[in-house]
Amino acid sequence: GAGVSQSPSNKVTEKGKDVELRCDPISGHTALYWYRQSLGQGLEFLIYFQGNSAPDKSGLPSDRFSAERTGGSVSTLTIQRTQQEDSAVYLCASSLALRSDRNTIYFGEGSWLTVV
Amino acid sequence: GENVEQHPSTLSVQEGDSAVIKCTYSDSASNYFPWYKQELGKRPQLIIDIRSNVGEKKDQRIAVTLNKTAKHFSLHITETQPEDSAVYFCAATELGGYQKVTFGTGTKLQVIP
Repeated sequence: GAGVSQSPSNKVTEKGKDVELRCDPISGHTALYWYRQSLGQGLEFLIYFQGNSAPDKSGLPSDRFSAERTGGSVSTLTIQRTQQEDSAVYLCASSLALRSDRNTIYFGEGSWLTVV
Repeated sequence: GENVEQHPSTLSVQEGDSAVIKCTYSDSASNYFPWYKQELGKRPQLIIDIRSNVGEKKDQRIAVTLNKTAKHFSLHITETQPEDSAVYFCAATELGGYQKVTFGTGTKLQVIP
């Protein structure tokens, strides 16, 4: 695709429900990142994929958070039993990662999650 | 893994003045350093980057400098304008391994008209 696509763009869910956030990276991009950004805060790293594997999942806040990537393309971030503190923008990003000095990251528009 | 520190966290300047944001990194093998600008409610977007084989790069009113020995790099914005108001993030990429990009904590720049 032309850019990183995320869905849904906005999601309001009740506390305790599960949510799935989807990311479709730029075609051919092997690296994929998930970040969380609370209002007025920085980029909180969640997980990094290289192809289908996740060599770094150190940022996942708890075992309620999981992510997978299939076919080296689309990724899904799942949050189980959502809590109010999960409310944030979830940003996906991708890069070619063929050479580290060409590792430009492109971000999606984000999924705005509100837990009520 | 890589650790990137960014200062200051907030910066206010008068329109027309210069702004400087500084970052330090921990992994001497990192060789690519991009800067991203995030306007309110928008996604972060790349504004300039620098590779380890150069010490400075300029693009109109913005410039980046890199000191590999000291492991720090800086963003310089001259003749600031209100539209420069945003959050700026620096980042560093590890050489080898999984080439993960690590971001700094961000600097909120406010340009006062």
